[in-house]
Formats: sequence, structure tokens, C-alpha cells
Amino acid sequence: EVQLVQSGAEVKKPGESLKISCKGSGYTFTSYWIGWVRQMPGKGLEWMGIIFAGDSDTRYSPSFQGQVTISADKSISTAYLQWNSLKASDTAIYYCARSDGVAPPVYWGQGTLVTVSS
Amino acid sequence: QSALTQPRSVSGSPGQSVTISCTGTSSDVGGYNYVSWYQQHPGKAPKLMIFDVSKRPSGVPDRFSGSKSGNTASLTISGLQAEDEADYYCCSYAGKYTFVFGTGTKVTVL
Repeated sequence: EVQLVQSGAEVKKPGESLKISCKGSGYTFTSYWIGWVRQMPGKGLEWMGIIFAGDSDTRYSPSFQGQVTISADKSISTAYLQWNSLKASDTAIYYCARSDGVAPPVYWGQGTLVTVSS
Repeated sequence: QSALTQPRSVSGSPGQSVTISCTGTSSDVGGYNYVSWYQQHPGKAPKLMIFDVSKRPSGVPDRFSGSKSGNTASLTISGLQAEDEADYYCCSYAGKYTFVFGTGTKVTVL
């Protein structure tokens, strides 16, 4: 059974750094892409970017380029989404999802709530 | 990349049919047969309902169907049921390993 299990909810202050994770299981991690999706409170889904777990080839949506860093550690089948300096506007639920690179994602993680507040 | 355009809301009585449109451009919806539809209930992760424009994953009722014409994709829910009340999002491949979501549609069962 394909599963994507994300790390738990986080509460951070503006300016702090954060790295959230997404662990894949039940499939060959290095054969697929992992994408990240943002959902701000009461809002829709936004595509942030995607990484190929096999060689860490990464593509960002223009809106998120330079704002976040997507990475992966294939030795532990885990993808990451990282911020160097959080803003209040980063408050959202972040989902990871598995894609074959061309078709939109089929499998999704349960989501990680990130709250940024002073 | 601009979000794909969906109606903000649609509604129907139980048993009726509703159709949600998803309008993009020739660079996304019109350029590829990689359009998916997701259902999202409050507090839950999105669930895939349709992929590759018109294919249903195992376990999705055949009340859900998808189609595409030009730059517009559509999701039709036939025989609307109470549990279909949710938010629905389309998503299209947009080239170079990027994707774009629709603005989202709230389906209300009257």
C-alpha cells in the first residue's frame, strides 16, 4: 500500500526556520516525483514545486521559487520542504503528493499544519 | 502560471446532475490530456476522483465522469448524493514537470 506520512503540526515565530518531512512507503521511492501543495486557511490548493526522488531534480512554481527549498533523502525515502525565514503569510496546511512527473498526483500525505505567529 | 478558472459554487438536489467547468489555456488544459479532479471534504486531504481527463480510479463511483473540449475540462456528478457535498479542484499538467490547480468549486447538495 502506497503511503505518504508527513511530520506533525508546527508552531513557529516569524523569522524562524523550519523543515517539514514526507516519508514514502509501499513503493520504489526513487522512481517517482514528490510534489508539495499549499492550502492557506479557507483557500484553494496551490502547486509549489516537485522533486524527482531518484536524482533530486527539482522544479519550482514561479510563485514559490526562492521562497522555499525542496529536497529529498532517498536513503530514508523522505522528501522535505524547508523555509529559512518564516512569515505570518506562510501559515497554511502543506501537503506532499506523489506524481509520475506528468500526471497530477494520485497519492497524498495527510497534510502538515504550519502556524507562524508572534 | 495562473490558476485554472472554476465556478465558485454549484448546487443541486439529490439525484440531480451537476457539472463543474475548469478553464485554462493551450499551455495547460488544452495542451495535454493530463487533467485530474480532486474532492476535498473539510479538514481532509484531497482525494483523486478523475485522472487523465476521464478515467476513474478504483473505488470511485461511476456517478463521477470527466471530459475535455479545447481549453476547458469538465467534471459531471450524476445522481447527486449528500456525501458528494465538498470542494472540488481540477489540476492540469502545464509542461516542464509543473502543474496548476483550479480555483476550486464548492458543491452543495440542497
